[in-house]
This record gives sequence, structure tokens and C-alpha cells, in this order.
Amino acid sequence: GESVGLHLPTLSVQEGDNSIINCAYSNSASDYFIWYKQESGKGPQFIIDIRSNMDKRQGQRVTVLLNKTVKHLSLQIAATQPGDSAVYFCAEKDRGNNDMRFGAGTRLTVKP
Amino acid sequence: DVKVTQSSRYLVKRTGEKVFLECVQDMDHENMFWYRQDPGLGLRLIYFSYDVKMKEKGDIPEGYSVSREKKERFSLILESASTNQTSMYLCASSPGNRIYSNQPQHFGDGTRLSIL
Repeated sequence: GESVGLHLPTLSVQEGDNSIINCAYSNSASDYFIWYKQESGKGPQFIIDIRSNMDKRQGQRVTVLLNKTVKHLSLQIAATQPGDSAVYFCAEKDRGNNDMRFGAGTRLTVKP
Repeated sequence: DVKVTQSSRYLVKRTGEKVFLECVQDMDHENMFWYRQDPGLGLRLIYFSYDVKMKEKGDIPEGYSVSREKKERFSLILESASTNQTSMYLCASSPGNRIYSNQPQHFGDGTRLSIL
């Protein structure tokens, strides 16, 4: 069946470095993608989204890249800070549905 | 900012009890969702609703039901709680109509439910 997954379950980076979190998806009908951040004891928080007619979108210190050819999504965080430590989820939505499919998450740890 | 409020952060119930989890959103969103989140399994969709009194099953509806009597409120009901329903439950909402809603879902902070 279709699935949304992540390449790495954990990622540890040094404060100030850039972080890259990857996500693979398999549904070729997906037209909308989101990255969420979930801190301990809280619900997922929207970070950035991208539609399938784009291949790159930038926010504040974050960039999402979409490669539809290989069905790959990545989240880049510039100058990673301790407050960025959290679990990051990718999610995708099929153009024919209103529900999201979520990856299992990558835990990002920022070392001071 | 969108506010999704879940009535309880922590809840402890006994096997066989009927359990109600409440969720309220303040942004007049049409769509509301209930997920459970378990370690290593990510978020799994239980039920969702795209309008008042409308509901659709998600991936794991067994043992659950929902109620949407008002647009801002979406309730999850465990008809007869079992220990395998111990989990983190997350409510979310999003704007838009049923088919063309490319909008992010906004989440509450979750209810950690323990069934003893």
C-alpha cells in the first residue's frame, strides 16, 4: 500500500549547524505536503507546507524541497538552535482525499 | 492563531468504561479529525468529519465512535474502553470543503489516556 516514511529515526546536530530531515513517500497522487514539529508534551505544530506544483519553498530558517521524480521531501533548518530539538513529521495528502498521511517522525537533537 | 482545545491532558479510566474525549476549535473550520499516536507508529486516523453531523471512518475506527453536533466541537467516544486503547489522542481541524482542502491541519496538545 501507499506509505509515508522517513529515512532516519534520529538526527543529532551541533548548535549552529544546518539540519536536513528527509522523507520518502510512495503515493504518486499526493498533491500537498506538510512538515510538523512536535515538542515533548505538545501536539504537532505546523512548520511549512508545499504543493505539488512547486519544488521549493522557504520560510523563516526553514526550507522544504520536493522532488516528485523520486518522491522525496526534505526539511532544511538553517543555524539549528536548541529550541529546534523535537520530533519532525512529514505528511502528505492525496488530491482525492481530505485526510493526511503521516510519517513516523525523526527526533532531532541539538547539541550545545 | 488557530486554537484547538482538548478538554483533558491526562485521563485514567478502567476497562469497560465509556470514555468521552472532547475537542473544540475556534476558527470555524469545516473539517475535524481524531488521531491516536503510539510510539513507532506515528499518527493513525480514527475518524474525521467534514461537516456538522457528518462523519467518516479513518484507518482504525474499531472500538470508537464520534459525534459532531456543532461545528466547533468534535467528540471521540470509546464505547467500552480496553487496555489496547491506552494511547495519546490528538484532535485536529482544518478549513475548506471536503475535496479541495489543501490546508494544514492544526492540532491540540493531546489527551494521554490510560486504561487500567
